[in-house]
Amino acid sequence: GAVVSQHPSRVICKSGTSVKIECRSLDFQATTMFWYRQFPKQSLMLMATSNEGSKATYEQGVEKDKFLINHASLTLSTLTVTSAHPEDSSFYICSAPRDRGNTEAFFGQGTRLTVV
Amino acid sequence: GENVEQHPSTLSVQEGDSAVIKCTYSDSASNYFPWYKQELGKRPQLIIDIRSNVGEKKDQRIAVTLNKTAKHFSLHITETQPEDSAVYFCAANPGNQFYFGTGTSLTVIP
Repeated sequence: GAVVSQHPSRVICKSGTSVKIECRSLDFQATTMFWYRQFPKQSLMLMATSNEGSKATYEQGVEKDKFLINHASLTLSTLTVTSAHPEDSSFYICSAPRDRGNTEAFFGQGTRLTVV
Repeated sequence: GENVEQHPSTLSVQEGDSAVIKCTYSDSASNYFPWYKQELGKRPQLIIDIRSNVGEKKDQRIAVTLNKTAKHFSLHITETQPEDSAVYFCAANPGNQFYFGTGTSLTVIP
């Protein structure tokens, strides 16, 4: 299957600082990438859809200025958690479908963010 | 957006028994329904998927059924093994986005 790489896998940051998470498609071009947030023992909540060359589409309730998404190339999308607070601590995971439409989405390894 | 509901949230079965997980969706535009298995701290892995032009699909011990009229689909695992223990997520794709169910924590008791 296709490979999606996410970095870093774990990060601890101080409250008030910003953290950038990268999601790369290694062997295919991803015009679309999805960012999810997952709380312990809970499901993956879609935060936003990242579109290469255009603005991201955010789900209702997700703060655009808080979670900045940039999809600068066909293989890279970044999620920046700005002015992080302890309540932002979570598992963030990206995914990318190889093709448009009905195809499998491949997941990154996820990033465990802890804000102290 | 799409609303996907999943039941049960937890499921315990004896090794060798079958496990069934059910999902419903709301958006009739959804036409692709994957199932993912996620082990603790790891990324979800696709185990089986079904498209809306198919009613049933089977892959060894795993099968998925889809009822488009009722907007529900189910995962069936037969002859369960301890290594099947994980969290399972269903998902629906109404276009180019994936919406996940709430997850089912499956425990297979040896």
